[in-house]
Amino acid sequence: EDQVTQSPEALRLQEGESSSLNCSYTVSGLRGLFWYRQDPGKGPEFLFTLYSAGEEKEKERLKATLTKKESFLHITAPKPEDSATYLCAVQVNRDDKIIFGKGTRLHILP
Amino acid sequence: DGGITQSPKYLFRKEGQNVTLSCEQNLNHDAMYWYRQDPGQGLRLIYYSQIVNDFQKGDIAEGYSVSREKKESFPLTVTSAQKNPTAFYLCASSIDRQGRGGYTFGSGTRLTVV
Repeated sequence: EDQVTQSPEALRLQEGESSSLNCSYTVSGLRGLFWYRQDPGKGPEFLFTLYSAGEEKEKERLKATLTKKESFLHITAPKPEDSATYLCAVQVNRDDKIIFGKGTRLHILP
Repeated sequence: DGGITQSPKYLFRKEGQNVTLSCEQNLNHDAMYWYRQDPGQGLRLIYYSQIVNDFQKGDIAEGYSVSREKKESFPLTVTSAQKNPTAFYLCASSIDRQGRGGYTFGSGTRLTVV
């Protein structure tokens, strides 16, 4: 069964304290992996798409990486405005189905 | 600015009522989607449409209906047959029909049964 698991469920960091969020997946074939940011009461906002192992994408304090089994969203020197839920989604080769993880709630303390 | 507009932001439904959630996009995207988001769960696909006048059931279509009469519009009706409709509903679109470039999401509608 195709699955996407995000960890941890929640993470509290001090401002400036770098860390990583994990998205592990077991799918029959990966077409693409997506990261989104979601603020409370709002729709997700697209961040990155990764297509193949070894690929990396960066945007401001965020960097996404991809291996054959998982993706990491690295956040460097975070600020309180980076607080949000980060969602990972995987698109399966076989039928283009997109499976979302449950998200990681990130809280950055000033 | 291009984007997806969902309305209303909040909706209250009485038992036995049908309600319709609006979703309009001006991105000229081919595909549109409806997802349901519940606390502690990943987004679950209700219905999707890749072209006008055609739509497909997602993983949790029971109790819902949709139409796609115009490229810009994809309304979702939550019928009285949906037993647990209280949730946050998200509409999304993608420029390609398979969603390979990722989605653009609307701001959501929170539906509450009263």
